Amino acid sequence: QVTLKESGPVLVKPTETLTLTCTVSGFSLSAAMMGVSWIRQPPGKALEWLAHIFSNDEKSYSPSLKSRLTISKDTSKSQVVLTMSNMDPVDTATYYCARIRHYYDSSGFYYRFDYWGQGTLVTVSS
Amino acid sequence: QSVLTQPPSASGTPGQRVTISCSGSISNIGSNTVNWYQQLPGTAPQLLIYSNNQRPSGVPDRFSGSKSGTSASLAISGLQSEDEADYYCAAWDDSLSGHVVFGGGTKLTVL
Repeated sequence: QVTLKESGPVLVKPTETLTLTCTVSGFSLSAAMMGVSWIRQPPGKALEWLAHIFSNDEKSYSPSLKSRLTISKDTSKSQVVLTMSNMDPVDTATYYCARIRHYYDSSGFYYRFDYWGQGTLVTVSS
Repeated sequence: QSVLTQPPSASGTPGQRVTISCSGSISNIGSNTVNWYQQLPGTAPQLLIYSNNQRPSGVPDRFSGSKSGTSASLAISGLQSEDEADYYCAAWDDSLSGHVVFGGGTKLTVL
């Protein structure tokens, strides 16, 4: 049974750095063609992709947030960590982690989020 | 403003067929596969359609997906009240070193 669970602070102050942890079970962070991504959703708004890390440690970031994000993983602990610096009230959102299944073929890049965590609401306020 | 364009709302009566469109560009939908996610009220999104037209196990065959060029569509036939949710399309985008792009979401109301 695949599960993902986000953890971290519910409230951060402006300019602080947010650190979120995604703890996974039911699969290994070293499994081929898999990875973990972070996605956020401001209240009442659309989903926004933030970053991913693949099993081979390949990382990718949202172009608009790249300078503020760092993603890493600890395979032995089954955890993926996302840090976001210089938090602002507009970063208030529910933050989700999700498992990625991915591969390439002649039709392009197959990339999907097949399991999601429940999400954690982070509020940025002084 | 989202990279993929979806209508903000859609509606239908029970039993009807509704479609939701998703428009992109050559760097995303035109080059890679499209996924659809369903987000029921107050819950996390869940995978509904992957690789343009594939259903994960457990998803009813009332849901179907298609892709043509730089656009994709989600069709729901035999609409049911429990289908009332937000629907998002997503795809990998090859530009700017590669990243995932989502649509702005479509809120489906079952009248």
